[in-house]
Amino acid sequence: QSALTQPRSVSGSPGQSVTISCTGTSSDVGGYNYVSWYQQHPGKAPKLLIYDVTKWPSGVPDRFSGSKSGNTASLTISGLQAEDEADYYCCSWAGRNTWVFGGGTKLSVL
Amino acid sequence: EVQLVESGGGLVQPGGSLRLSCAASGFTFSDIWMSWVRQAPGKGLEWVANINQDGSMKNYGDSVKGRFTISRDNAKNSLYLQMSSLRAEDTAVYYCAKYLGRNFDYWGQGTLVTVSS
Repeated sequence: QSALTQPRSVSGSPGQSVTISCTGTSSDVGGYNYVSWYQQHPGKAPKLLIYDVTKWPSGVPDRFSGSKSGNTASLTISGLQAEDEADYYCCSWAGRNTWVFGGGTKLSVL
Repeated sequence: EVQLVESGGGLVQPGGSLRLSCAASGFTFSDIWMSWVRQAPGKGLEWVANINQDGSMKNYGDSVKGRFTISRDNAKNSLYLQMSSLRAEDTAVYYCAKYLGRNFDYWGQGTLVTVSS
């Protein structure tokens, strides 16, 4: 159960778009369409942003979008806003009812 | 409104035991798989364990297998994590999380477990 690989940090200016990658293997990200993304502000619980690679839970703006190609999933945030500054984590089902998270990416809005 | 409220965290010595609880409300608890996820200070998220609706299926992360036991009481709408043989590396905030399919759609606010002498 090795952690998925995410960049440690990304940054962008208000209004711009940023993309966060999440690389796994054929046993997790590449093998199933069960990748989810979570946003976590300091001292707060994670919040589900994207599930099943591309789906939005109720209440999440469509500025957040997900995709996957091979063993790499991506989260794109368009129209960056100051409140998007947070940590972002990907997660993938890894079969046999086990899950693996990415190491997290800190998004800075300049 | 879905609510998950964890309790039971605290300071424990290495080798000791602790039992965490999660009180659930706002959804039909007995219909849903549940999970524990932890986060060491300043670190990322780590999936710990999960349990199916009636408690007959349980799965664990490699780092806690054989030391932690997940359980639930559907009559009390509660999820538990019995932790034993605790190590310094188990120090973390422990979150209770509810499943939506194969994703975690609601999380509690977490309870801090500190393993130190």
